Amino acid sequence: SALAQPPSVSGSPGQSITISCTGTSSDVGGDIYVSWYQQHPGKAPKLIIYEVSNRPSGVSNRFSGSKSGNTASLTISGLQAEDEADYYCGSYTSTSIPYVFGTGTEVAVL
Amino acid sequence: QVHLVESGGGVVQPGRSQRLSCAASGFTFSSYAMHWVRQAPGKGLEWVAVISYHGANKYYADSVKGRFTISRDNSKNTLYLQMNSLRAEDTAVYYCARDRVVDTIRGGYGMDVWGQGTTVTVSS
Repeated sequence: SALAQPPSVSGSPGQSITISCTGTSSDVGGDIYVSWYQQHPGKAPKLIIYEVSNRPSGVSNRFSGSKSGNTASLTISGLQAEDEADYYCGSYTSTSIPYVFGTGTEVAVL
Repeated sequence: QVHLVESGGGVVQPGRSQRLSCAASGFTFSSYAMHWVRQAPGKGLEWVAVISYHGANKYYADSVKGRFTISRDNSKNTLYLQMNSLRAEDTAVYYCARDRVVDTIRGGYGMDVWGQGTTVTVSS
């Protein structure tokens, strides 16, 4: 089933926020292949973190990822208006279903 | 420039079939596993299916298993999703996406290239 994320997180410009993503030992906790995606309204998702903490070329270093046990986290530092979007985690799984997404988190910049 | 372009969406009646296509360009299509991901209106992302780089291995979400078939034609750089016995709950934007790592059988390493999506509406 889907990885658990908080429905919404908010912060003021310049602040830092953290989004959690909780799974099981068969997915998040079982390997390093946790990714994060950013999706603006009406747009396709964009990969912003892969392998727990790596950023693709061109992604701001204000985005960082980490993992502890069955929970992964995405931190956005120096929050900006353009960071308002939905964020999804995703993970490799060792089950018969190769991939699972999180439930999604809406980030609001106050 | 790396690009994925989906097509084939539209309005279809419940119980009927629809085939989606995804045209790839700007990279060696035959080296990557490819996914279909969907998003129902106002809902989150749902992984649908993945096909290995050579096309021999296919995996499906339980919600579509037995009704949907993923396939690819590496000579045409094109990915397909054949959807049969469509239901109202299949209504969604369907995205194709490239797995990040080359030469994998079942992917799962992250999706680094996405198409713009094509909308499928199942309604009578």
